[in-house]
Amino acid sequence: DGGITQSPKYLFRKEGQNVTLSCEQNLNHDAMYWYRQDPGQGLRLIYYSQIVNDFQKGDIAEGYSVSREKKESFPLTVTSAQKNPTAFYLCASSFLSGRYEQFFGPGTRLTVL
Amino acid sequence: KQEVTQIPAALSVPEGENLVLNCSFTDSAIYNLQWFRQDPGKGLTSLLLIQSSQREQTSGRLNASLDKSSGRSTLYIAASQPGDSATYLCAVPQAGTALIFGKGTTLSVSS
Repeated sequence: DGGITQSPKYLFRKEGQNVTLSCEQNLNHDAMYWYRQDPGQGLRLIYYSQIVNDFQKGDIAEGYSVSREKKESFPLTVTSAQKNPTAFYLCASSFLSGRYEQFFGPGTRLTVL
Repeated sequence: KQEVTQIPAALSVPEGENLVLNCSFTDSAIYNLQWFRQDPGKGLTSLLLIQSSQREQTSGRLNASLDKSSGRSTLYIAASQPGDSATYLCAVPQAGTALIFGKGTTLSVSS
């Protein structure tokens, strides 16, 4: 089954902790993206990567970090510097030619305790 | 900077009604426009993608149109069903890669 998987589905973080959200795709897509969704605010871009070992900041990158060591994996770390991390996090991927259609994973809901 | 707006924010209709969701964007130099569906607590499902050279795309009861010159797209849903209840999002690429989203229209179809 081709698709995008995210884990865990639910994640709880204590104040001062770093947590890592997993995103894996087996679609052979070149690019991968992380978005954050808050009620009433829509989706906002955190980071994206078009090639292994390279990534760019999005509109709200402060307090987050990413890595792209493998084409199929793009983990997101929410650091203690992110002051309001409670949100729904969505990972997506796409080719970099043709239609550029983006496909999304099922999401991870992060709650700060 | 590109901005995407969706109107209305919420819509309630009885089953069987035909309806139109609106999406507008400020920069008409777009590569494509994508419509998504999101159920509560779930990820996004891609419904339709319209390339900039196209005027419309159809999939089953869904029809999406694109007018680049006026910066507008519409999603037409024919013969709505309770299973169509969800939030519908439109998005356009920024610099050909990451998407800029509208805030969505939440649709409720009653039986």
